[in-house]
Amino acid sequence: RKEVEQDPGPFNVPEGATVAFNCTYSNSASQSFFWYRQDCRKEPKLLMSVYSSGNEDGRFTAQLNRASQYISLLIRDSKLSDSATYLCVVNGGNPSGSARQLTFGSGTQLTVLP
Amino acid sequence: ETGVTQTPRHLVMGMTNKKSLKCEQHLGHNAMYWYKQSAKKPLELMFVYNFKEQTENNSVPSRFSPECPNSSHLFLHLHTLQPEDSALYLCASSQEGGTKYFGAGTRLSVL
Repeated sequence: RKEVEQDPGPFNVPEGATVAFNCTYSNSASQSFFWYRQDCRKEPKLLMSVYSSGNEDGRFTAQLNRASQYISLLIRDSKLSDSATYLCVVNGGNPSGSARQLTFGSGTQLTVLP
Repeated sequence: ETGVTQTPRHLVMGMTNKKSLKCEQHLGHNAMYWYKQSAKKPLELMFVYNFKEQTENNSVPSRFSPECPNSSHLFLHLHTLQPEDSALYLCASSQEGGTKYFGAGTRLSVL
């Protein structure tokens, strides 16, 4: 089983649609969770952290379910500029305390169509 | 600009060449990283440096040799690479445990 697993997509949605991405992780000791966004041929950039209570940033909502080891990202009222690959990222929860060890999923590709 | 600069942006090399990738961060971070991103695969962590000391080497072949002369600069020396080493090589920096900021990457093609 992959450490971090995402549906690769692609997701093709019309402008204004709501789209949700899911991600599962295998290490129950994982401590921190993030969504990164990577535009075509560019570097990944932090989109938002994911907190246990769920968090929202404008049109973006992130949820964490520790029991199911599952993270989600919801994008409402999608814009053309949301087209990118969305990477689920999990802190490895290494018992030796390596908080630097982030594990990236393969990414989910989103295309928002006019 | 994220404050992490990588050069060159593109590199084509033969299997017998020796080349180096350079990364420089202007963020005052104490940790730097090399990642490899191959098509359709997750980002793979290669090396971690913390306060100039290498703290992680994720079973990377010896044809990749990192160097960290100071906490702002990181190099990846390449020699006798294989075609399967063609990928995007990303440098990142962070405060320990903090958000990683990535450079734009070096797109490497090994012929």
